[in-house]
Amino acid sequence: DAGITQSPRHKVTETGTPVTLRCHQTENHRYMYWYRQDPGHGLRLIHYSYGVKDTDKGEVSDGYSVSRSKTEDFLLTLESATSSQTSVYFCAISGEREFVYEQFFGPGTRLTVL
Amino acid sequence: AQKITQTQPGMFVQEKEAVTLDCTYDTSDQSYGLFWYKQPSSGEMIFLIYQGSYDEQNATEGRYSLNFQKARKSANLVISASQLGDSAMYFCAMREGTSNTGKLIFGQGTTLQVKP
Repeated sequence: DAGITQSPRHKVTETGTPVTLRCHQTENHRYMYWYRQDPGHGLRLIHYSYGVKDTDKGEVSDGYSVSRSKTEDFLLTLESATSSQTSVYFCAISGEREFVYEQFFGPGTRLTVL
Repeated sequence: AQKITQTQPGMFVQEKEAVTLDCTYDTSDQSYGLFWYKQPSSGEMIFLIYQGSYDEQNATEGRYSLNFQKARKSANLVISASQLGDSAMYFCAMREGTSNTGKLIFGQGTTLQVKP
């Protein structure tokens, strides 16, 4: 299994508070991703990173920011959490098989914003 | 814009029988990749199989095969000899081009239940 961990695994917070989710990998892969999973929508890309300090927006980036200061860590921040950000958040890393680049996922973080 | 559609919210199959999960896609790119992932009730996402748009043969991985019909833009997953452990949600996903950014677009998912 790819070495990907996420912390925390569960979090309950209140509207308006800042929240940071952490993704840590031990595979030394260049590419990392944050997705959110909601019923009826599958997984949707929030942000991704293609190297240290190199990040870009995904499909649903509003209200989220990311940072990557080290290859192994990719942080997702909700500056001021809203109830619409209640979701399950997955981090993923890209495998290095040329032209395939399958993604391996972390265990997920269940976030509830009250 | 690229899009993935899975039209079967839920499916049932008898243990040991084969089952096909449907996936259609839309893209204007000539080069793309198609993926299937499994999500059991425990929540993790498990990569199952990959098909490249230029691959002439359908991909197979053990009991999983991908029925790729390029003209119809479909990439159905076939699971042979279903097992109870196959009960899960299944997601079809697409990556445009051969870029190693690997950004994926996912379908809504199909829940499969295997009956003993």
